[in-house]
Amino acid sequence: DAKTTQPTSMDCAEGRAANLPCNHSTISGNEYVYWYRQIHSQGPQYIIHGLKNNETNEMASLIITEDRKSSTLILPHATLRDTAVYYCIVRGAGGTSYGKLTFGQGTILTVHP
Amino acid sequence: KAGVTQTPRYLIKTRGQQVTLSCSPISGHRSVSWYQQTPGQGLQFLFEYFSETQRNKGNFPGRFSGRQFSNSRSEMNVSTLELGDSALYLCASSSTRVLNTEAFFGQGTRLTVV
Repeated sequence: DAKTTQPTSMDCAEGRAANLPCNHSTISGNEYVYWYRQIHSQGPQYIIHGLKNNETNEMASLIITEDRKSSTLILPHATLRDTAVYYCIVRGAGGTSYGKLTFGQGTILTVHP
Repeated sequence: KAGVTQTPRYLIKTRGQQVTLSCSPISGHRSVSWYQQTPGQGLQFLFEYFSETQRNKGNFPGRFSGRQFSNSRSEMNVSTLELGDSALYLCASSSTRVLNTEAFFGQGTRLTVV
């Protein structure tokens, strides 16, 4: 399973953009990058996913580098309710890893007033 | 559209007992995956079911098992409970097994083994 590396924690001021980086240097060509977040002991919430093109939805934007070895999740106007653990995941694409979401430790994002 | 529903939300069991947890996926979704979350190990994949067949399995002992019914509802069973099985058990549903398909999680079942 392709591993991801994220900073342990980040801070952001309310109203500012939060940029969460993720390294996935061993990603293979058909593996998607998924982002989820989890607010204390609730189920993870889907945010966005992408393969190689940048993606945007109502929650966030996902910027994937051309070599696909890293990506950045952007929350354009962070609010206090965006305080959560953010997980960057490479979704398995082959063999026994097919479809699996392998969660790492994630980034604890704290949004300050 | 209702989300993923897991029941019960909380459960307390004694060591040695067995437990069954239930997951009702989003209507129309045919894939259900189960995950275990503990403070020490984080979120770990247990298994995935699609069209009533187990498609994938994580690295858990045989005490952990599951099944899926024709209406896509899924159950997981843990036999001979150990203290270390105390965890938040989460299920996620997807409409298909295609990799470009979002998986949506339920709120989980909090299992405490005493």
